[in-house]
Amino acid sequence: AQTVTQSQPEMSVQEAETVTLSCTYDTSESNYYLFWYKQPPSRQMILVIRQEAYKQQNATENRFSVNFQKAAKSFSLKISDSQLGDTAMYFCAFDSGYALNFGKGTSLLVTP
Amino acid sequence: ETGVTQSPTHLIKTRGQQVTLRCSSQSGHNTVSWYQQALGQGPQFIFQYYREEENGRGNFPPRFSGLQFPNYSSELNVNALELDDSALYLCASSENTEAFFGQGTRLTVV
Repeated sequence: AQTVTQSQPEMSVQEAETVTLSCTYDTSESNYYLFWYKQPPSRQMILVIRQEAYKQQNATENRFSVNFQKAAKSFSLKISDSQLGDTAMYFCAFDSGYALNFGKGTSLLVTP
Repeated sequence: ETGVTQSPTHLIKTRGQQVTLRCSSQSGHNTVSWYQQALGQGPQFIFQYYREEENGRGNFPPRFSGLQFPNYSSELNVNALELDDSALYLCASSENTEAFFGQGTRLTVV
């Protein structure tokens, strides 16, 4: 079974600064997808970024980028130029083929 | 907005009752998945439907059941509600590998 671990329950960052959220996972598969989702107080899960395991290049979406280390089974999210609207729960997720396996989440607070 | 809508948004039920939650998938998406998110936890996969057939199931008892209709909308039914069933229930429709989530139904069992 695939497991996803987020070791930082809560993090805080000042506006305009950079923050990195950690995620590790365990799988015996060689090809898979990894995701970071954002869940604001509105409860709706919003896809932030995704990474295909067979691609060595790290994914980037505007201020969001990942550091994907396949051998180490690590998938961290870097948020640059943090904005107040980035305040939310962030979930790392692994796609097992038909289901997403989520970590327990990291609560990120962006302060002025 | 993702185009995935869930109803109702909030619901209070009594232990032992039955509940039906509904999800309208994004246009063109033939796959719907349901997740349970307990307070302070990440979502847990319940099951997935593809073209009206159950396509995979997580570690949930048989009293959690579902349906998918020809228009790809879906229902989640939970019988004999228990207090631990109190959670946010999320529906996600997908095409290929990207899932689009609704805003969820908050179920409280008292």
